[in-house]
Amino acid sequence: QVKLVESGGGVVQPGKSLRLSCSASGFAFSNYVMHWVRQAPGKGLEWVSVMWHDGSNEYYADSVKGRFTISRDNSKNTLYLEMDSLRAEDTAVYYCARGEMATIFYFDFWGQGALVSVSS
Amino acid sequence: QLVLTQSPSASASLGASVKLTCTLSSGHSSSAIAWHQQQPEKGPRFLMKVNRDGSHNRGDGIPDRFSGSSSGAERYLTISSLQSEDEADYYCQTWDTGNVIFGGGTKLIVL
Repeated sequence: QVKLVESGGGVVQPGKSLRLSCSASGFAFSNYVMHWVRQAPGKGLEWVSVMWHDGSNEYYADSVKGRFTISRDNSKNTLYLEMDSLRAEDTAVYYCARGEMATIFYFDFWGQGALVSVSS
Repeated sequence: QLVLTQSPSASASLGASVKLTCTLSSGHSSSAIAWHQQQPEKGPRFLMKVNRDGSHNRGDGIPDRFSGSSSGAERYLTISSLQSEDEADYYCQTWDTGNVIFGGGTKLIVL
């Protein structure tokens, strides 16, 4: 069955960097667009970034543009999110999600999330 | 700019039915939306996609107690035979020009 497992979360100081990973299994990872979505404590869902199945395109929310970088290694079935210049407002649970095959900006599977806490 | 509007909360009794609403902003009434459920302390789970004509595609393992429908700019999620585990936050989601948009979510309380 489809499984997405995030890792790499933790506590980090403002201005520092952190890299999240999302390990995928149960499907042909290289055929699917993948997304990152986050949720601040007690708040709703916020889309962060997307990467095309072959890495040819990527898009970011304005709130993270220039600071976060999405990437993937299809040989390892893994999606990444490199987060630089972290701010307190980046504190959230970060989820990876699979884009639906036919309409890539809808999500059909989600991971369980990784908590990132930005605090001095 | 496309905006999705949801009521903050809803409640219904165990065994009853409830209909949640997601409203697309003016000029975007033809867009499909997806519904996602988030139970307490868990990651979201895809329920279904609802098209402008009311047709819907449920996700893997989603029981047919969950159904979708449409009317104009409104997209609905109906849950019948409510169970205690249906108590959760429900988010609608769509996209517009490369940007993904979420509604604010509806917290469903099962009485």
